[in-house]
Amino acid sequence: GNSVTQMEGPVTLSEEAFLTINCTYTATGYPSLFWYVQYPGEGLQLLLKATKADDKGSNKGFEATYRKETTSFHLEKGSVQVSDSAVYFCALSETNFGNEKLTFGTGTRLTIIP
Amino acid sequence: NAGVTQTPKFQVLKTGQSMTLQCAQDMNHEYMSWYRQDPGMGLRLIHYSVGAGITDQGEVPNGYNVSRSTTEDFPLRLLSAAPSQTSVYFCASSYSGQRTAFNEQFFGPGTRLTVL
Repeated sequence: GNSVTQMEGPVTLSEEAFLTINCTYTATGYPSLFWYVQYPGEGLQLLLKATKADDKGSNKGFEATYRKETTSFHLEKGSVQVSDSAVYFCALSETNFGNEKLTFGTGTRLTIIP
Repeated sequence: NAGVTQTPKFQVLKTGQSMTLQCAQDMNHEYMSWYRQDPGMGLRLIHYSVGAGITDQGEVPNGYNVSRSTTEDFPLRLLSAAPSQTSVYFCASSYSGQRTAFNEQFFGPGTRLTVL
């Protein structure tokens, strides 16, 4: 079956530091890959996505590249801010019609200190 | 658009009680689902529905029932609450794969449930 393995947290960084959160996946076929973010007390929001190999998703200064050869989708940001403090989830979905089940990683809690 | 709404935001139950968590969306999405979020385990799929009148089990369906009588609503019923069902519950919705090239899901704000 499908699975997502995500970097264990929590991660604490200073403001303006470089961020990498690792994510690798196992899937049959050609999944779509996502990063979701959950701010304190809120539901999940889609941060970025990539639907095929070598696609780069980007949003709010975050980037992730769909690497089929290494089955990875690592999240990066060049200079983090305090407002980036949140829990980040890597996820995948099968692109079969009528099947939109998401498989999530365990989440990585990120704390940015001023 | 209100998006995906969930009620209540918080709930405390005693073991053996039953209750229904409400979920509604106003985006005319065919696909709706329920997840539970537990520490160190990410989100796990409980039940899902690909359209009105159609439901199916996810990864952790035991102890939960769902129905989908309308496109907008997808309630989750706990038949006899147990402490193991203490969790945060999220409802999500999306268009079906036949309409979009990717499967972006929109999540509600969650219901925090405690079973004593």
